[in-house]
Amino acid sequence: SQTIHQWPATLVQPVGSPLSLECTVEGTSNPNLYWYRQAAGRGLQLLFYSVGIGQISSEVPQNLSASRPQDRQFILSSKKLLLSDSGFYLCAWSVRLAGQETQYFGPGTRLLVL
Amino acid sequence: LAKTTQPISMDSYEGQEVNITCSHNNIATNDYITWYQQFPSQGPRFIIQGYKTKVTNEVASLFIPADRKSSTLSLPRVSLSDTAVYYCLVGGDNQGGKLIFGQGTELSVKP
Repeated sequence: SQTIHQWPATLVQPVGSPLSLECTVEGTSNPNLYWYRQAAGRGLQLLFYSVGIGQISSEVPQNLSASRPQDRQFILSSKKLLLSDSGFYLCAWSVRLAGQETQYFGPGTRLLVL
Repeated sequence: LAKTTQPISMDSYEGQEVNITCSHNNIATNDYITWYQQFPSQGPRFIIQGYKTKVTNEVASLFIPADRKSSTLSLPRVSLSDTAVYYCLVGGDNQGGKLIFGQGTELSVKP
């Protein structure tokens, strides 16, 4: 069966510090991978998605970047964090079922920028 | 991408059947309807997905009328552990798998 891992689970970082959040998927090959952010407990916002190694699409221009160095690894980064980067970050992967892709989410990383 | 509209919140009691309706007037021909459940500080969990008529699994049922402009998630005999936010999403393959999450419906189940 497939599993998705995210770490760390929680993170407290000062403004201006760098960020690196990692997501890995097991049990599947060539998945689509996604990064979402959720602020104030509601409404997920799609940040990045990737259909393959080195292929990244950005949905919202911002202080963050993403990379996919391996097939089942997706990394969210920032060189200098802003207060507004605080939130709940979710990684997801998708599989095609009967012609429609279904996304499955990881446990999330709670980021607090102070 | 079709926009969805759901009630912001709903209250229910243990043992009752809960129906959450979602409107998606601009749904496209190749769009599917998907529902997710999210508990606080956890990632959304896939519940059910359908294209038309009725779909049922071990967790819920999904009713979709012929015009597909709305859908209803039905949770039979809810328990306290069903208290969560429920999201209705509409999308198809031509959007590259991207999902647009709205504000969802916050369901509160009381004893």
